[in-house]
Amino acid sequence: GAVVSQHPSRVICKSGTSVKIECRSLDFQATTMFWYRQFPKQSLMLMATSNEGSKATYEQGVEKDKFLINHASLTLSTLTVTSAHPEDSSFYICSARAPGLASDETQYFGPGTRLLVL
Amino acid sequence: GQQLNQSPQSMFIQEGEDVSMNCTSSSIFNTWLWYKQDPGEGPVLLIALYKAGELTSNGRLTAQFGITRKDSFLNISASIPSDVGIYFCAGQYYAGNNRKLIWGLGTSLAVNP
Repeated sequence: GAVVSQHPSRVICKSGTSVKIECRSLDFQATTMFWYRQFPKQSLMLMATSNEGSKATYEQGVEKDKFLINHASLTLSTLTVTSAHPEDSSFYICSARAPGLASDETQYFGPGTRLLVL
Repeated sequence: GQQLNQSPQSMFIQEGEDVSMNCTSSSIFNTWLWYKQDPGEGPVLLIALYKAGELTSNGRLTAQFGITRKDSFLNISASIPSDVGIYFCAGQYYAGNNRKLIWGLGTSLAVNP
């Protein structure tokens, strides 16, 4: 149980376009989802916390108008990178917390989305 | 952002050897987590620790939640080639109504068959 999927797994886009990344909890309902960004050989950096039905909470330094997050249902959160630029190229990973499982404190991670902006 | 002190940064060992890595922090956490990340994949939870002093095993893996709640270690016994990857510790804390993770910088493990 506690499987999280992401789509697409990798995407290449032109500078100036927008890219949407989906994060789904497949076998549980996730009231809270998290979006991370990871640069090569570095740790995960939290971008925002997304609670179902409410606005996302962004970490300091993360532009909310640049990285639009929608958590419209208990199984789906989306991250849209608007007007992408080469510096937005990175590995984006989502995670979901699953209240009601043996422990609701654990975050389960998706497989990540590799974004390359040309 | 804030990060945990994780060491060693990398390890290169022979198959069959035991491995030990640890994380320390100046802050207290209510939960310590250990994840493994393979290249191009998301982190996979290995062990979760919820109580100070707790010692938990998962197969060849053993982790402990430090008694001061500011540190944790992960041991891998009898390493095998598939243990290769990056191991991250994470401390969980409360931020308002949300629980957030602070991450270590990772320990890169290479195993020589």
